Amino acid sequence: QKEVEQNSGPLSVPEGAIASLNCTYSDRVSQSFFWYRQYSGKSPELIMSIYSNGDKEDGRFTAQLNKASQYVSLLIRDSQPSDSATYLCAVIKRGGSQGNLIFGKGTKLSVKP
Amino acid sequence: EADIYQTPRYLVIGTGKKITLECSQTMGHDKMYWYQQDPGMELHLIHYSYGVNSTEKGDLSSESTVSRIRTEHFPLTLESARPSHTSQYLCASSPDGHYGYTFGSGTRLTVV
Repeated sequence: QKEVEQNSGPLSVPEGAIASLNCTYSDRVSQSFFWYRQYSGKSPELIMSIYSNGDKEDGRFTAQLNKASQYVSLLIRDSQPSDSATYLCAVIKRGGSQGNLIFGKGTKLSVKP
Repeated sequence: EADIYQTPRYLVIGTGKKITLECSQTMGHDKMYWYQQDPGMELHLIHYSYGVNSTEKGDLSSESTVSRIRTEHFPLTLESARPSHTSQYLCASSPDGHYGYTFGSGTRLTVV
């Protein structure tokens, strides 16, 4: 079982819709969770971090964390074509790795005008 | 505004050449990382450092080496480049993993 799993997509949504991106992780001791956006040919850019159960909102983005289910998600409201990118889920596992980020493979999002 | 800088941005080099990819950050971060990423593929950690004179190999075996003589500088060296080294190399830093990483713009390396 991979440590961080994401559906690779592509996920296609119409402009103005809500895009829902999901991620599961395997290690219960994970403490910190991140969403990165990566445009084609560019480097990853941190867009959200979440550390406790529940929702965290920042503009059109909402991160949701459920530690009991080992599940973290990212909602993008009013999706725009400029949101088309690959979204990477990343998790920090405390312990042997001393806090290195573990990245998922990413979900490719396509927002159609 | 990027506080972590990678040079060169693009590099085309012949097989057998020695190359050094530069990475510098002005944020005073102790932790620095090198990732390798092929187009459309996942990130692979190849090296990391938790501070000066501290370097470790990552999850993906790599023929490259790194050094950390100064906090702000974390160069990656390939002693003899091969076509299989063709990839994008991303440098990142963090004050503490709790806050996530900041990535540089990357170096796209092509070995011919």
